[in-house]
Amino acid sequence: EVQLLESGGGLVQPGGSLRLSCAASGFTLTNYAMSWVRQAPGKGLECVSAISGGGSTTYYADSVKGRFTISRDSSKNTLYLQMNSLRAEDTAVYYCAKRQTQLWSSFDDWGQGTLVTVSS
Amino acid sequence: DIQMTQSPSSLSASVGDRVTITCRASQGISNSLAWYQQKPGKVPKLLIYAASTLQSGVPSRFSGSGSGTDFTLTISSLQPEDVATYYCQKYNSAPWTFGQGTKVEIK
Repeated sequence: EVQLLESGGGLVQPGGSLRLSCAASGFTLTNYAMSWVRQAPGKGLECVSAISGGGSTTYYADSVKGRFTISRDSSKNTLYLQMNSLRAEDTAVYYCAKRQTQLWSSFDDWGQGTLVTVSS
Repeated sequence: DIQMTQSPSSLSASVGDRVTITCRASQGISNSLAWYQQKPGKVPKLLIYAASTLQSGVPSRFSGSGSGTDFTLTISSLQPEDVATYYCQKYNSAPWTFGQGTKVEIK
């Protein structure tokens, strides 16, 4: 059974940093593309970052480019999102999502989400 | 970037009604479209991919159709457990944009 368990969210001041983690089980992370999808309070879904199964291709939404970095540790089967220079508009629940196969496929499994609140 | 527009933004229907939600892409995306269901306070769940393929375990009252720019999600007989917000999403190219969502309620 596929499981995705996010952690690392919390309250941070504007300009601060956080690192989100997504521990995967039931499959091998490097065999699938993975993404981080966020949902601001009461709003819709936005894919902010993605990484291909092979790890050679990464993607960032314009809203986070230059501030967020996606990475993974194959030995821990864990996906990360390093978030720097955080802004109030980054406040959201962040979901780790597995692709069905590679980057050009839908999200077939989601974690429970971790809440990031950027506020002074 | 390709925009995804859903309609209506919300609807209210009776149990047993047939419900249809539409999703329009600003450019053609072939059949690279998925539908997700998000119940209140819950995680999004994949319902349909490749525009019309039902994800394993999803009830057969859900169906999808369309290709190119126009797509539909149909619930053949609305059930109380179908109360949720439904999102379409394109995945043929980045950015993998979602529609703004359609909130479905029971009348």
